Amino acid sequence: DAEITQSPRHKITETGRQVTLACHQTWNHNNMFWYRQDLGHGLRLIHYSYGVQDTNKGEVSDGYSVSRSNTEDLPLTLESAASSQTSVYFCASSGQANTEAFFGQGTRLTVV
Amino acid sequence: RKEVEQDPGPFNVPEGATVAFNCTYSNSASQSFFWYRQDCRKEPKLLMSVYSSGNEDGRFTAQLNRASQYISLLIRDSKLSDSATYLCVVNTGANNLFFGTGTRLTVIP
Repeated sequence: DAEITQSPRHKITETGRQVTLACHQTWNHNNMFWYRQDLGHGLRLIHYSYGVQDTNKGEVSDGYSVSRSNTEDLPLTLESAASSQTSVYFCASSGQANTEAFFGQGTRLTVV
Repeated sequence: RKEVEQDPGPFNVPEGATVAFNCTYSNSASQSFFWYRQDCRKEPKLLMSVYSSGNEDGRFTAQLNRASQYISLLIRDSKLSDSATYLCVVNTGANNLFFGTGTRLTVIP
């Protein structure tokens, strides 16, 4: 069955380190998204991509970057981790425009 | 102003009760609408899409009011297993999904 997977599921890192969170989907979806979820804020869009070589900034993109070198993967990089980036990160993908998105299981990141 | 606003709750209801959630959206050009369910520490999962004519799936009924820019979800005959956070989601047409902060429901035995 097609799916979307994130790795790692849990990560503890130190302030200032570069961290990359992986997201891989096997639906062949063009659209991929990264969200962070914090108490009181709900899900907020970090970056998104509509296809290979396409990346766009979302609502809370500062301190994050993504790259899309193939259809299946959209890795999220924290260039210099900060304590404010402690959060749960969800990757999602969708196919046609205006259709629902499917989510990975999430990555819980703690920056100490 | 947030793209999507929801009452965060919590809603605590007895088993068998009917409960309704509302959500408002700010972009009148929004094109598609969804309700997602999220269990504690899990990923959001699609509960149902919301169509202009309203739609029903078992005990769940979703309604869309474009004129007033709000979406509703009605749950009838609540079960313990309905306890979760319900997220209102709007696609603004740029193929981006905007999420409300979620409404937490607890169904009490």
